[in-house]
Amino acid sequence: KAGVTQTPRYLIKTRGQQVTLSCSPISGHRSVSWYQQTPGQGLQFLFEYFSETQRNKGNFPGRFSGRQFSNSRSEMNVSTLELGDSALYLCASRNEQGAAYEQYFGPGTRLTVT
Amino acid sequence: GENVEQHPSTLSVQEGDSAVIKCTYSDSASNYFPWYKQELGKRPQLIIDIRSNVGEKKDQRIAVTLNKTAKHFSLHITETQPEDSAVYFCAATFYGQNFVFGPGTRLSVLP
Repeated sequence: KAGVTQTPRYLIKTRGQQVTLSCSPISGHRSVSWYQQTPGQGLQFLFEYFSETQRNKGNFPGRFSGRQFSNSRSEMNVSTLELGDSALYLCASRNEQGAAYEQYFGPGTRLTVT
Repeated sequence: GENVEQHPSTLSVQEGDSAVIKCTYSDSASNYFPWYKQELGKRPQLIIDIRSNVGEKKDQRIAVTLNKTAKHFSLHITETQPEDSAVYFCAATFYGQNFVFGPGTRLSVLP
C-alpha cells in the first residue's frame, strides 16, 4: 500500500496570506490528524477528521481550519499567516477498523512565512 | 488533559551500548503508547508500541516497558548502531484519539 502523501512539500508565503495544505491517507484509512512540528514546541496536535467530521481539536486559533472529503483526503487551511506559523505540518492517518490504534505520518509540508 | 514528559532531551551513547528513554503521562485513562523515530528531514516512523494490558514488548533490539501504576513507559535500545541516531518521540493516547507527544529525545550513537 502507498503511504500517506502530502502536497506541496515546501511552501513560502508572506505574512497575511493564506495557505492550503493537502493530505492523502493510506488507502482504507478514514481518520486523518494534523500536527504542527516546530523545534521549540515539538509535535502539537491541530485536529482530527473522521468520516468528513472534525472529531477532535487542539489548542490552536481559529485561523487554522480543516476539512475532509468523502474519499478521506483532507485539507488544512491557515488564514492570515503569521511569522510564527512557520513550521513542518504533518498529517497522519489511522485505520479505525478493529482495534487498530497505529498512526502513520506523511512526509510533511514545510511552510515558511516571511 | 493528557500531558507527556520525556527524558532525557539529549542522549549520547557509544556504539554497542544500550540507550533508555523514559516518558511519563498524566491521564490514567490512556491505553496506547507508541514510539516514533524521526531521522533528519524525514517523517516520524512508528517503531514500537504497547497497550495498557501489556507490561513489555520486544522487537529485535528495541523494547518498550510500561508501568501503569507509576504512569511511565520506557524505550530500550540494545546494541546501538550509528543508524539509531535520530529524534525519538513517545506518545500517549486513549483508544487512538488525541495523541499527545513528548518533546522528543535526540539520540546520538558515537562510533
